[in-house]
Amino acid sequence: AQSVTQPDIHITVSEGASLELRCNYSYGATPYLFWYVQSPGQGLQLLLKYFSGDTLVQGIKGFEAEFKRSQSSFNLRKPSVHWSDAAEYFCAVGPWNTDKLIFGTGTRLQVFP
Amino acid sequence: EPEVTQTPSHQVTQMGQEVILRCVPISNHLYFYWYRQILGQKVEFLVSFYNNEISEKSEIFDDQFSVERPDGSNFTLKIRSTKLEDSAMYFCASKTSGQGNTEAFFGQGTRLTVV
Repeated sequence: AQSVTQPDIHITVSEGASLELRCNYSYGATPYLFWYVQSPGQGLQLLLKYFSGDTLVQGIKGFEAEFKRSQSSFNLRKPSVHWSDAAEYFCAVGPWNTDKLIFGTGTRLQVFP
Repeated sequence: EPEVTQTPSHQVTQMGQEVILRCVPISNHLYFYWYRQILGQKVEFLVSFYNNEISEKSEIFDDQFSVERPDGSNFTLKIRSTKLEDSAMYFCASKTSGQGNTEAFFGQGTRLTVV
């Protein structure tokens, strides 16, 4: 069955520190991969997506993610976290044969000054 | 920037009551979706809707649920007789295309609390 795993429920980092949020998926073929962010009181906003080609993708707000087929991973990174990055981050998979998204449980990021 | 709007942001209802969650998708989008997230769990797909009919639904989307596009702008999710386990955050989304690689735009969610 298709699934997405985000192993870290809650991460705390200091402002200015680097960040990596993990995402692993289980799917037979290479799916479409997405990272969404939800700030308090806001909707889910797309940070970046991977469909094909270059396995390192750049997104908004200084985020990037790397697709690693051998590890079935699509980890989200940011070199220097800002306090405004505190939010919940969702990894999602879009199987090619359907237009629904399969989400992970999310990772809540807390940023200390 | 166009956005998906959901109302209300929070709804409290008694068990057994009917609720309607409302969404205004982005105006030129044709594909509409409802997802939900029970506290502490994954965001789960409920239903997709295109051309005035359901195109796909999950096991969660049983006979208690229905969706409708009553006019040219709103997209609603109705729960006929709410149960405690329906308490969740409900997200509406819309897309321009039904392709899997098209971005889905989400609303801010409606938190439904069934008491």
